[in-house]
Amino acid sequence: KQEVTQIPAALSVPEGENLVLNCSFTDSAIYNLQWFRQDPGKGLTSLLLIQSSQREQTSGRLNASLDKSSGRSTLYIAASQPGDSATYLCAVRRRGASGSRLTFGEGTQLTVNP
Amino acid sequence: EAGVVQSPRYKIIEKKQPVAFWCNPISGHNTLYWYLQNLGQGPELLIRYENEEAVDDSQLPKDRFSAERLKGVDSTLKIQPAELGDSAVYLCASSLGQGSYNEQFFGPGTRLTVL
Repeated sequence: KQEVTQIPAALSVPEGENLVLNCSFTDSAIYNLQWFRQDPGKGLTSLLLIQSSQREQTSGRLNASLDKSSGRSTLYIAASQPGDSATYLCAVRRRGASGSRLTFGEGTQLTVNP
Repeated sequence: EAGVVQSPRYKIIEKKQPVAFWCNPISGHNTLYWYLQNLGQGPELLIRYENEEAVDDSQLPKDRFSAERLKGVDSTLKIQPAELGDSAVYLCASSLGQGSYNEQFFGPGTRLTVL
């Protein structure tokens, strides 16, 4: 059974700091990995999608890397801003009994202090 | 373009009462998902539809939960009767297909409180 772990569970940083969020998964037979952002009381917003054949994806101040063989992904946020405060979830897409399925980690709650 | 729409946004009911959630996916998205998210946890898949067919419902508690997507567009998730442990956020998502290259787009969720 695929397990996804995110470290740290919570992180508080001052504005302007660069930071890294970590995601690990136990089964390396994945199709892709996706990073989401979730604001309080809101749904999930997709940030980056990395296919299993890719090593990284970038969008603005965000960079996500994928090392499938070691079962790890990192989300790098450059020059953090208070508006980045949210919960960040990673999810891996793997084959299930009835097609592919997303398995989520528990998230990292990020607070960026002005 | 409108995103995934869910209603209601919040629902408070007493235990043993029935409750229903509605979802309208992004136009043209054939695949629709219902997820359950407990506080402090990541979402867990309840059911996935390909058009009107439920192709993955292995994690749906069928004794009290049911879902339908009659015309292959919008969907309804029902709980009858609700239990205290059902208090959670119910998320709907959609994608163009269920292929691995297709991103899932999520709605805002329905927050259910069972008293």
